Amino acid sequence: DAGVIQSPRHEVTEMGQEVTLRCKPISGHDYLFWYRQTMMRGLELLIYFNNNVPIDDSGMPEDRFSAKMPNASFSTLKIQPSEPRDSAVYFCASSNPSTGYYGYTFGSGTRLTVV
Amino acid sequence: GENVGLHLPTLSVQEGDNSIINCAYSNSASDYFIWYKQESGKGPQFIIDIRSNMDKRQGQRVTVLLNKTVKHLSLQIAATQPGDSAVYFCAEFTGANSKLTFGKGITLSVRP
Repeated sequence: DAGVIQSPRHEVTEMGQEVTLRCKPISGHDYLFWYRQTMMRGLELLIYFNNNVPIDDSGMPEDRFSAKMPNASFSTLKIQPSEPRDSAVYFCASSNPSTGYYGYTFGSGTRLTVV
Repeated sequence: GENVGLHLPTLSVQEGDNSIINCAYSNSASDYFIWYKQESGKGPQFIIDIRSNMDKRQGQRVTVLLNKTVKHLSLQIAATQPGDSAVYFCAEFTGANSKLTFGKGITLSVRP
C-alpha cells in the first residue's frame, strides 16, 4: 500500500487566494483526519470523517476553512481566502479501528506558506 | 503580550546510551496508547502501542511502560542511534470519543 497520499507537498500562495489541499487515505480505512501543525500550537485536529461523513469539525478555525470527502478515496481541505497566519504544515491521516488497531497512519503533509 | 513559540522539551542523550521519554496522559478512561516518532519534514510514524490491560510491551529496541495508577506512559529506546533523533508524541485513545488525543511532543537529540 502506498500509504496516505497528500498533495501538493509544498504550496506557496498570496494572501487572499484560495488554497486546496488533497488527501487520498489508505484503501479500506473508514476514518479520515485533517491536522494542522505549527510551532505555536503543535498538532491540532481540524476535522475528521467517518465513512465520508464529517463527525467533528470543532477544530476548524473559522469559516474560511472547509473540508469535504466526496468518496472513500478522496478528501479536500480548502482555505478561502487564505491569510499569512494559515501558514503551517497540514497533515491528513486515516485509520480503520475495526481491525483492533486504533492508530492513525499519517501522510507526509503539505507545507503551506501564505505570503 | 507577545506570543511565543511552542518550545518542546528536549532530551539530549549520547549515542549508544538508553533513552527514556516520559508522558503524562490526561484521561483515566483511555484504554489504548501509542507512541509516534516524527522526523523533520515527515508525518508522525507509529512506533509501538499498548493496551490498558498491559503494563509493558517490547518491540525492536523500544519498550513502552504504562502506569495507570499515575497516568504515566514512557518510551525506552535502547542503544540510541543518530537516526532516533526526532520529536516523539504519546497519544491516548478513549473509546467514548473514538479519536486519539496527542501530547505536546518531546524532542530527542542524539549526540554523536
